[in-house]
Formats: sequence, C-alpha cells, structure tokens
Amino acid sequence: GAVVSQHPSWVICKSGTSVKIECRSLDFQATTMFWYRQFPKQSLMLMATSNEGSKATYEQGVEKDKFLINHASLTLSTLTVTSAHPEDSSFYICSVSRGGTEAFFGQGTRLTVV
Amino acid sequence: DAKTTQPTSMDCAEGRAANLPCNHSTISGNEYVYWYRQIHSQGPQYIIHGLKNNETNEMASLIITEDRKSSTLILPHATLRDTAVYYCIVRAGGGSARQLTFGSGTQLTVLP
Repeated sequence: GAVVSQHPSWVICKSGTSVKIECRSLDFQATTMFWYRQFPKQSLMLMATSNEGSKATYEQGVEKDKFLINHASLTLSTLTVTSAHPEDSSFYICSVSRGGTEAFFGQGTRLTVV
Repeated sequence: DAKTTQPTSMDCAEGRAANLPCNHSTISGNEYVYWYRQIHSQGPQYIIHGLKNNETNEMASLIITEDRKSSTLILPHATLRDTAVYYCIVRAGGGSARQLTFGSGTQLTVLP
C-alpha cells in the first residue's frame, strides 16, 4: 500500500500561536489528500479535501481561515492551525488514495494547545 | 455512501478467530465494503475490501452475504496487537479519490 508520512507526530503549542502539520505521500503522486480530525473517544471527521494546485474544499462548520491548507505539490499537503485555542486540541490525520481504491493514512498528529 | 451498523464492542480470546459483523442493508450495486482498523493513537490502517465475492488477504478474510446487506470481517487467529477499533465503510469504487465516512466502529479487545 501507499506510504503516508505525517509530521510532527505530536505538538504542544500556546494559545494564539499557529501550528503547521505536514502530510507527505512518499511513493505516489497524490492530486487529492484528505484531512480528518478526531476528538477523544470519537470517530474521524472529515475536515477538508486538499487539491493540488487549487483551493481546498472545506466541510460544513470548518473555518477555512482558521485551518489553512496548502497542497503545493503532488506529494505534500500542509494543514496550518492558526491562532490555536485549547478547543483545537485534537488528533489530526491525513490520507491519500489512488483514485477510487483504498485510502492510506498518516500516523496522525496529536495537537495540544495550552 | 450507504450507512453501516456495527456492534459497539467485542471481546475475543487470543489465538481464536475474531468475527466482526457489519450491516449495510442500503448498499447500492456499485458500492464496495471496506474495512479499516485504528489502533489507539494511530492513523487508520486499511485491511481489506470487496464488492460481492469473498476476499482474503494476509490480514483477514471478508465474507459478504449474497444479498450484500451484511458482511463479516474475520481475523483468523487474533493476537493482542489486533486490539483496535474496526470500521466498516461502504463507498462507491472507481473514479476519482473520495473521502471515507467513518462511523463509530467496533472496539475489538483481544484478551490473553
């Protein structure tokens, strides 16, 4: 299967600061990547769809100005949480898929905002 | 994508087969059944998928009923490392990349 690398695995930041999370597709070119968020004891919820060379598509209720997504190349998408607050503390996960086949996920990033 | 229903939790003895059921009574003809699992604090891991025939790989077997309204994921010899949340997801295959819609899944606990 595809190898997806997410960095960092965990990060602690102060309220009001910004945090960038990287998602790399290591063995194939991904025109589309997906970003999910998972709160404790809950399931994964799709936040946005990252499209290479164009603007990301955000799910209802996700603030595009707060969660900045950049997909500048076929192997890298970044999610920046701007002006982070404690309620943004969560597990952020990216995924890639080859067309309509199975999806592959990064190892996730645990964000804690203090 | 069709909705799925899974038991909230299951236990299984180590070394025994773990059979995880999933109901997807509203599945459409072009929708596949996918199984993923998520070990605590990790990203989900793809296990297997199928359309209507039973499938087997090195991780598991997938049994889909003839009417395709339900399926069972079988881990033939469960180990402690198989303790995870297992998600059954129904989604149309082919075409462009699409997101997955995760339900609550089944928490499988493998007991020593």
